[in-house]
Amino acid sequence: EDKVVQSPLSLVVHEGDTVTLNCSYEVTNFRSLLWYKQEKKAPTFLFMLTSSGIEKKSGRLSSILDKKELFSILNITATQTGDSAVYLCAVCSNYQLIWGAGTKLIIKP
Amino acid sequence: NAGVTQTPKFRVLKTGQSMTLLCAQDMNHEYMYWYRQDPGMGLRLIHYSVGEGTTAKGEVPDGYNVSRLKKQNFLLGLESAAPSQTSVYFCASSTGFGYEQYFGPGTRLTVT
Repeated sequence: EDKVVQSPLSLVVHEGDTVTLNCSYEVTNFRSLLWYKQEKKAPTFLFMLTSSGIEKKSGRLSSILDKKELFSILNITATQTGDSAVYLCAVCSNYQLIWGAGTKLIIKP
Repeated sequence: NAGVTQTPKFRVLKTGQSMTLLCAQDMNHEYMYWYRQDPGMGLRLIHYSVGEGTTAKGEVPDGYNVSRLKKQNFLLGLESAAPSQTSVYFCASSTGFGYEQYFGPGTRLTVT
């Protein structure tokens, strides 16, 4: 059965810290991995990864995929209170997106 | 460009009642999806559509029906609501599988 597991489930850090969120997967036919940020509403897209070893970067956020070890990480540097959210990972396999349960990130001022 | 819109935003139903949730997108996307999101469980796919006139079951289709009569609209129906269907429902659309999905604002449904 296809599955996506995110860790940790929740994380509390102070503003300015750097955080690393993990997403591991076991799927039958990998096509892509996507990261989303969800505040109190709909998920918003962050990154799509298809190839190992190529870092995607947007401001203080970056992500990389390891297709051999079957995981991805999302890094956030110099965190701000506005980064507080649930971060969702999803893997496209066999024409469906398999979603992880998310990591709830809380940034304390 | 409104993106993906959903109506209604909130609804309370009694057990056994029926309702339809409407999703509309103006991005000319072929693919559309209905998800439910429950606390601690992430997003679960109910049904999806790969084009006008086509629908397919997702991970949790029981108790729901869908229709895609027009490319821009995807309807989710509950024929006989049950308390287990209390959830937040999201519609999404994309250009294809594995690509970025654009989400609507969600519908919070409570079944008493």
